[in-house]
Amino acid sequence: DGGITQSPKYLFRKEGQNVTLSCEQNLNHDAMYWYRQDPGQGLRLIYYSQIVNDFQKGDIAEGYSVSREKKESFPLTVTSAQKNPTAFYLCASMGQGYATNEKLFFGSGTQLSVL
Amino acid sequence: AQSVSQHNHHVILSEAASLELGCNYSYGGTVNLFWYVQYPGQHLQLLLKYFSGDPLVKGIKGFEAEFIKSKFSFNLRKPSVQWSDTAEYFCAVNAGGGADGLTFGKGTHLIIQP
Repeated sequence: DGGITQSPKYLFRKEGQNVTLSCEQNLNHDAMYWYRQDPGQGLRLIYYSQIVNDFQKGDIAEGYSVSREKKESFPLTVTSAQKNPTAFYLCASMGQGYATNEKLFFGSGTQLSVL
Repeated sequence: AQSVSQHNHHVILSEAASLELGCNYSYGGTVNLFWYVQYPGQHLQLLLKYFSGDPLVKGIKGFEAEFIKSKFSFNLRKPSVQWSDTAEYFCAVNAGGGADGLTFGKGTHLIIQP
């Protein structure tokens, strides 16, 4: 089945620790996105990448880092600089024709909590 | 930068009632508009989208939305809700049709009482 796979489903972070959330897609999509979902806040864009080896900051990039070495993969690292990391993290991708009419495909999310 | 405002954070309705969820956006140029739904324990799913043409858009599960450009609005409607419509609903906008992601509203939590 084509889709987006996020892992792990649940992740716990200790103080001062960096953690990495995985996002893999086999949809051959060029564009990939990371969103953070907090109760009552909706989804906020952290980082996005429109092509391999290139990415841009979203609205709340501070304390996060990403890489896009392969088209299929867009891992997100939550660094120790992110003081409030507890949230539900959603990865999404969008394919060809995104400038006109495509839609986002979402993964099932990773719930990150601080110990 | 664009922004999206959803007026109601929590809505409680009885089955068979009519639904209208408000959504306003701020952006002066061309926009693509979306409504997404998140059922309990499930992925975000696209309900409907507007890019151009007829401003009244029909989506899945009997939902529709009307784009009113003069009001910068894209309200979601359903004439008769069901218990299974209980979910979180998000309005989103993509300004200019680019691939720089969507801006989401804060969501409306809809509860349908049987």
